[in-house]
Amino acid sequence: DQQVKQNSPSLSVQEGRISILNCDYTNSMFDYFLWYKKYPAEGPTFLISISSIKDKNEDGRFTVFLNKSAKHLSLHIVPSQPGDSAVYFCAASSDSNYQLIWGAGTKLIIKP
Amino acid sequence: DGGITQSPKYLFRKEGQNVTLSCEQNLNHDAMYWYRQDPGQGLRLIYYSQIVNDFQKGDIAEGYSVSREKKESFPLTVTSAQKNPTAFYLCASSLSGSSPETQYFGPGTRLLVL
Repeated sequence: DQQVKQNSPSLSVQEGRISILNCDYTNSMFDYFLWYKKYPAEGPTFLISISSIKDKNEDGRFTVFLNKSAKHLSLHIVPSQPGDSAVYFCAASSDSNYQLIWGAGTKLIIKP
Repeated sequence: DGGITQSPKYLFRKEGQNVTLSCEQNLNHDAMYWYRQDPGQGLRLIYYSQIVNDFQKGDIAEGYSVSREKKESFPLTVTSAQKNPTAFYLCASSLSGSSPETQYFGPGTRLLVL
């Protein structure tokens, strides 16, 4: 039973355009969400997070949007750069259980 | 500079052998975690520890064991009882483990069975 779902295994985007990565969750108790970026054979690195009291958080080229009613969050990267090519994971936790629940990841490929 | 180190980068296990993966952090974090990543899947929690000399099972603890004798160190032993150990193992730490917070990861260890 996957509580955090990333339904697109891969996404290809032209350099300079916007990349939009999506994540859906089923547990309404989740109230903290994170996005991580992972290169092959390396550990994930933290990108950006959002608390359920907000619907948007922005950090440079990265913006995360949270739609609580739809149980959906998205990560926008603009403009996309070649170094953004990586696997992106979303993760969620709740106030009752601080352990992170992870999606399966989306591989982002930025085309020159 | 602070961070999390894992060693070795690659590890080979023979049938019936126990192997230990090292994880050290100098971030002064109380909480440490071990995850397993398989191809096409998200990270799955094996064990976690919020304080020295205490640890809890995660979702897939069977066939693994841990210890937390020092704040900086959280070694993971993959025992012979783990029938499918080939995976990428990731260690992480966070400030306290008792509130929603960011986890920081080491570079990982890839375990292969001979």
